[in-house]
Amino acid sequence: DAKTTQPNSMESNEEEPVHLPCNHSTISGTDYIHWYRQLPSQGPEYVIHGLTSNVNNRMASLAIAEDRKSSTLILHRATLRDAAVYYCILRDLRMIQGAQKLVFGQGTRLTINP
Amino acid sequence: DSGVTQTPKHLITATGQRVTLRCSPRSGDLSVYWYQQSLDQGLQFLIQYYNGEERAKGNILERFSAQQFPDLHSELNLSSLELGDSALYFCASSVGAGGTEAFFGQGTRLTVV
Repeated sequence: DAKTTQPNSMESNEEEPVHLPCNHSTISGTDYIHWYRQLPSQGPEYVIHGLTSNVNNRMASLAIAEDRKSSTLILHRATLRDAAVYYCILRDLRMIQGAQKLVFGQGTRLTINP
Repeated sequence: DSGVTQTPKHLITATGQRVTLRCSPRSGDLSVYWYQQSLDQGLQFLIQYYNGEERAKGNILERFSAQQFPDLHSELNLSSLELGDSALYFCASSVGAGGTEAFFGQGTRLTVV
């Protein structure tokens, strides 16, 4: 599985934007970039995913570098509820058609200050 | 609520025992995944089933086994339990092997004493 690198922790203030970086220098052309987050005492939840173009949904935006070797998850206006561990994961398109494991790294622990 | 149901929520058992964890996927989801999360290991992928067939295997011990039944619910069996097996066990489901978004249950917290 292609590897991702994320900072261990980040801190931000409530109602401010948060940019969570992820490096994936060994990404292949068929890898999708996925983000999940895990709130305290809960199971992980899907946030967003993309392949080449930037993506937006109701939870966040995903900005993907032109060379695809890095990406950034953007929370436009952080709330206390956004405090969680955020995981950046690569999933091979080819694997999606067959075996489909989500391999989690250590993620980034995001703290939101009131 | 993700729609994925795991039972029981908590389980305390002694070393050497055997337990069964149950997962009911979201309605219509054919794929089920099992994960183990302990403090020092993070989220470890164990195994995935699609429509009753094993599709992918991760770091699952030989003492652990799983199956997916015709009604699509899945069970994870853990035997000869050791103290180190104490962890949160998560189940997730998705629409199919081709699905991209997985939905996770709230987990079963297993404590081996």
